[in-house]
Amino acid sequence: GESVGLHLPTLSVQEGDNSIINCAYSNSASDYFIWYKQESGKGPQFIIDIRSNMDKRQGQRVTVLLNKTVKHLSLQIAATQPGDSAVYFCAESFQGAQKLVFGQGTRLTINP
Amino acid sequence: NAGVMQNPRHLVRRRGQEARLRCSPMKGHSHVYWYRQLPEEGLKFMVYLQKENIIDESGMPKERFSAEFPKEGPSILRIQQVVRGDSAAYFCASSPRTSTGSGNTIYFGEGSWLTVV
Repeated sequence: GESVGLHLPTLSVQEGDNSIINCAYSNSASDYFIWYKQESGKGPQFIIDIRSNMDKRQGQRVTVLLNKTVKHLSLQIAATQPGDSAVYFCAESFQGAQKLVFGQGTRLTINP
Repeated sequence: NAGVMQNPRHLVRRRGQEARLRCSPMKGHSHVYWYRQLPEEGLKFMVYLQKENIIDESGMPKERFSAEFPKEGPSILRIQQVVRGDSAAYFCASSPRTSTGSGNTIYFGEGSWLTVV
């Protein structure tokens, strides 16, 4: 849903552990979802996407899970590395729409 | 392969001045989007353009903001008479075809950071 002007939620994990970042989306009509990674001072970088006719999709070290029943999306990062430190945003869209609606974002920090 | 190119990367303007932000989409992309990001927030949609046409400007403030994507040259986001509240990062994105719902990935540029003093 629409983000609000609050401090970003933060997730801290040990290097090498798996990370799970969660996102609740707002529109039950949304049928396309994307995860973006944003490092400080940079633009959002595409990580992985999923359509609503799927409930799981895997990429390199990342997996996205979609639960349409509860309107929940998650991003799993395996064997977290220091370079994974960033803010992660989920975004949703629906057929025919020309815009993405971004979630609030989660700051992922990696402890050595 | 050049990505979405934005300039300037950083821009400082005094209150009341004009800001012009430029965006060149990825090669082969004819759809351009502008988003705004305030600190510690997600991106907010502003406007969607195709060549010479504004398709959706539902996220644009009613006054002082305008956007264009001419037949030749980059897309321009123009902010007139800037105020401190306009300070933000402005991101341009592009895609090859319409309808994000069909899975056409939108790629973002590195952003233009506007500071109004």
